[in-house]
Order: sequence, then C-alpha cells, then structure tokens
Amino acid sequence: SYELTQSPSVSVSPGQTARITCSGDALPKQYTHWYQQKPGQAPVVVIYKNNERPSGIPERFSGSTSGTTVTLTISGVQAEDEADYYCQSVDSSGTYRVFGGGTKLTVL
Amino acid sequence: EVQLVQSGGGLVQPGGSLRLSCAASGFIFSSYEMNWVRQVPGKGLEWVSYISISGSTTYYADSVKGRFTMSRDNAKNSVYLQMNSLRAEDTAVYYCARDAYCTTTSCSLRGFDPWGQGTLVTVSS
Repeated sequence: SYELTQSPSVSVSPGQTARITCSGDALPKQYTHWYQQKPGQAPVVVIYKNNERPSGIPERFSGSTSGTTVTLTISGVQAEDEADYYCQSVDSSGTYRVFGGGTKLTVL
Repeated sequence: EVQLVQSGGGLVQPGGSLRLSCAASGFIFSSYEMNWVRQVPGKGLEWVSYISISGSTTYYADSVKGRFTMSRDNAKNSVYLQMNSLRAEDTAVYYCARDAYCTTTSCSLRGFDPWGQGTLVTVSS
C-alpha cells in the first residue's frame, strides 16, 4: 500500500522557521494537503493543493514541492503553532487517500 | 456555519456492529465528497473510507474492507459508517470529513475541511 513518510519530530525556538517534510512516490503527480492537530481537537487544514492557504490561516504557513517531497514551512514560529502536523494525499490512481505518520512540532 | 455533527460510537464487544452518523449543515451537502478518518488515541490519522457525491462510488482502506460500509443520504444531509465484525484494533476516535466540491464536470480540492467533532469507538469485552 502507498505510504507518505514524515519525520517524527521537529523542534524550533520562537521566531525561527520550522520545515516539515513529507515524501511519497506519487507526490509529483498528486496534490498534498497539510493539517494541524492540537491535543483533544479535530485536525484543521492549513495548506491545501500543495501551497494554497485557506482563509483564516496565518501567512506564516506556506507549502512547497520538489520532486517526491513536499514541505510545510512555518515562518516566525509562535508558541501557538506547537501541534502535530500531518500531510495527506492520494495514491497514483487517485483512489486511496493516505496520511503521513505525523510530525510533532515543539516550540522550545 | 459549515458544520459536521457526529453521533453514534461507544463500547462494543469484539465481533459486534456499530453505526456512526455524521450530519452536515451550512453547505450544499450533495455536492461534496465525504470521508471517514480514524485515530487511535495517541497515534496518527488513518484514512478509513470515501464516498462520492452520489454515493455510487466508495473506497475503503485495506484494514476495513469487507467489514465497513460507508453510505450517504443526500436528502438527510448525512453520511454513515456501518461497522461490522469489529476488532480490538478498530478502537479509535472516528472523524467524518468533507472532501472535494464536485460539479458534473470537475471537482475542486480544498483538503478535508471541515471535520466532525470525533466519536470514540471502543471494541472490548
């Protein structure tokens, strides 16, 4: 089955830039979405279609792609950004949705 | 307000069945694809199932194929997940989530947005 690979954890100090990556063979052909999940809450989309930001999401959140890797970048990280982040895409056929394993962002 | 409100869930014995419901409001439900996603407490998100706008097409994760059935009633603005032959490893918080907006010619992706509030399913004797 198709898998998306994320690093388990990222730590940054407030004001620094956090980069969270997600790798998968089909990513050059399929869109990726990113979700933020805080404890006890449902996930919230922060980036969709690789690099689009929903209304209400701060401009410090951005997305990019390069080959089989997509990256969520949080510029000027704030304490409130501490959360789990998940990438999500579909397999090469466009049939099966899949999530990455998640990355825990810690703000030092 | 765009909203998904879930009901159902609870404690069930191994081998038992349960039905989850998800009621939509604030948007044209019949134009959106829908999904179920689950999360074992303390673990990551796992996609479970998908349904097309008409309900004629469904997809399932291998882990639930043949045991779970997703359906929708566009007249009631609701989507359902019928879970049979439940196992201990199905214990998780289950979320419904809105997917793409579709017309007769194309679909517009915006990620899974919004999500329901989640409902805990516990499979245990």
